[in-house]
Amino acid sequence: TQLLEQSPQFLSIQEGENLTVYCNSSSVFSSLQWYRQEPGEGPVLLVTVVTGGEVKKLKRLTFQFGDARKDSSLHITAAQPGDTGLYLCAGAEGSSNYKLTFGKGTLLTVNP
Amino acid sequence: GAGVSQSPSNKVTEKGKDVELRCDPISGHTALYWYRQRLGQGLEFLIYFQGNSAPDKSGLPSDRFSAERTGGSVSTLTIQRTQQEDSAVYLCASSLSGRATDTQYFGPGTRLTVL
Repeated sequence: TQLLEQSPQFLSIQEGENLTVYCNSSSVFSSLQWYRQEPGEGPVLLVTVVTGGEVKKLKRLTFQFGDARKDSSLHITAAQPGDTGLYLCAGAEGSSNYKLTFGKGTLLTVNP
Repeated sequence: GAGVSQSPSNKVTEKGKDVELRCDPISGHTALYWYRQRLGQGLEFLIYFQGNSAPDKSGLPSDRFSAERTGGSVSTLTIQRTQQEDSAVYLCASSLSGRATDTQYFGPGTRLTVL
């Protein structure tokens, strides 16, 4: 089973600040997804990346998939209180075309 | 609503009792997943159903756990002789075709507390 390590585990910042969270593994993933989960809710998909070096932007969120497809980052510009939540990365194991391995997540709090 | 629904939303039970958790996936989605999320942890894969194929049960932690999916739609996760370490949020997700790149749509989860 491939392991995904996310860092930092916790992050508390002020509204307007920028931040980056990381998702790392020693293994190669065929694709990687980022989800956000709010308290009492299930995770919601933000983005899927499939190509090494790929960069995707979603409003103030920028996602990057490492060239070797072993790591990914999520950068948020000018964070807002509505960005508060648990950010989870999930990678598809190379030998499986349906199973995702989830990291433990980064709990982000954006204070007004 | 058109989303994934789960019931009950909360379940408190005594150690040793059996529990059943229900998931109603999005209509037309052939793939259904169950995950477990312990406090402060990520999602742990439990089981995967795809159409009429044999399910992937490789994530079930013990033989006390079982799941069924009837008619390619509703799924039930059963935990027999519950233990305190079974306390967690159990999440169900469905996707259109089950590819890893598909969007998985999650339900709100069932919070299970074993006393």
